[in-house]
Parts: sequence; structure tokens; C-alpha cells
Amino acid sequence: NAGVTQTPKFRVLKTGQSMTLLCAQDMNHEYMYWYRQDPGMGLRLIHYSVGEGTTAKGEVPDGYNVSRLKKQNFLLGLESAAPSQTSVYFCASRTKKQETQYFGPGTRLLVL
Amino acid sequence: AQSVTQLDSQVPVFEEAPVELRCNYSSSVSVYLFWYVQYPNQGLQLLLKYLSGSTLVESINGFEAEFNKSQTSFHLRKPSVHISDTAEYFCAVSDWGYQKVTFGTGTKLQVIP
Repeated sequence: NAGVTQTPKFRVLKTGQSMTLLCAQDMNHEYMYWYRQDPGMGLRLIHYSVGEGTTAKGEVPDGYNVSRLKKQNFLLGLESAAPSQTSVYFCASRTKKQETQYFGPGTRLLVL
Repeated sequence: AQSVTQLDSQVPVFEEAPVELRCNYSSSVSVYLFWYVQYPNQGLQLLLKYLSGSTLVESINGFEAEFNKSQTSFHLRKPSVHISDTAEYFCAVSDWGYQKVTFGTGTKLQVIP
């Protein structure tokens, strides 16, 4: 039981490049979330999903897109990376019935 | 809308001393409250939570938090800290039945030997 895993662990991009971050969970959780963590700002919700095929915007969705084609996977895409997207990205998941979120180890993204 | 305020960004404390990390929230409806802990270079993990019932909740490693509805607070306390408690602590709030959680800005606890 791996829990929540994130790929890649670290990535450097140039401004304007695109990339996709992958989150996978093996706990059969219905809800999945993408957050970004920046110094002094805590965690801010980017997008979330309450089930396969459904997504919704969070607090800071601009510049990001997501997809949830399979229940166990939640993809976060950056179409044209900007230096302001330099951050640590965390994925989390939870069941529909319990409020506790389970977090992945994070992806550190540097945009030059 | 709900929000969480953690006024202390950093709290240094000597080993074996007591500590309190402050958290205040605002919400128009009843809430769930959480404390998550983040050890260096790791993701967040749940420390303790208040859903209903007793207003005093405890974790397995000696932390406790008390839900105070009149003061809209959920402060985290430990009577004697250990070096291994060095981490960043996040308070969070969720409305009942709501799908999203709002996190505070975090408090870094530095335990000094």
C-alpha cells in the first residue's frame, strides 16, 4: 500500500515550457486535491476532484489545468510555465466519508 | 467563507519546555478543525482533529488541542516538547459536509536542545 505518490519529485523548467505532474493513490479515495505551498502562505488549493471525470477550481487555479480520467490518478498540467509557478506542489486524497486528507511527498518545481 | 489565522510564523522553545501554537478561525457555519504536521522535506500528515463531542482532543505523541467556540480558537499544546517535534504545524478548517479545507499559513516549531 503505497498511499499517495507524486511524479516527478523535482523538476526545472524554462519559462513557457509545459509539463504534467502526476498524482496516484491506491486507497480507492473519491476526493483528490492539488495544492501549492509557498513560504509564508501555507497551502493554497489549486484544483480538486470529487470523483472520476469531475474537477473543480480552488483558490488559485489560473495557469493550471487538471484531469481525473481514472479514479486513482489526478493530473496537474502547466501549459506555459511562469516563474510565479515556482513552488512545492502537494497532492492529497481522502474518502467521501472522512475529512482526513492524506498527502503525497511533494514535487519541487523551479521555473527559470 | 472560512479562514484560518496562525499569528506565530516561528516558535522557538527549549527541549522539555511547554509550547502553545495558536490558531483562530472564522466561519459562518459549524466546522471541523484540524492540526497537520509537516516534517522537513515531507508531505503533511494529520496530527489531530475535532469533529464533534469532547472539545479536548489528543494525539498519540502527546499534543492536545481544545476547541473553543466562543473564542473561535483551536490552539495546540504540548506540556514537554522533544527535539523530534521540530516541524511546521498547520491549522485547518472545513465546514461540515464541505469538500474543501482551508489551511493556515503554518507555524514553524523549533525545539532547541
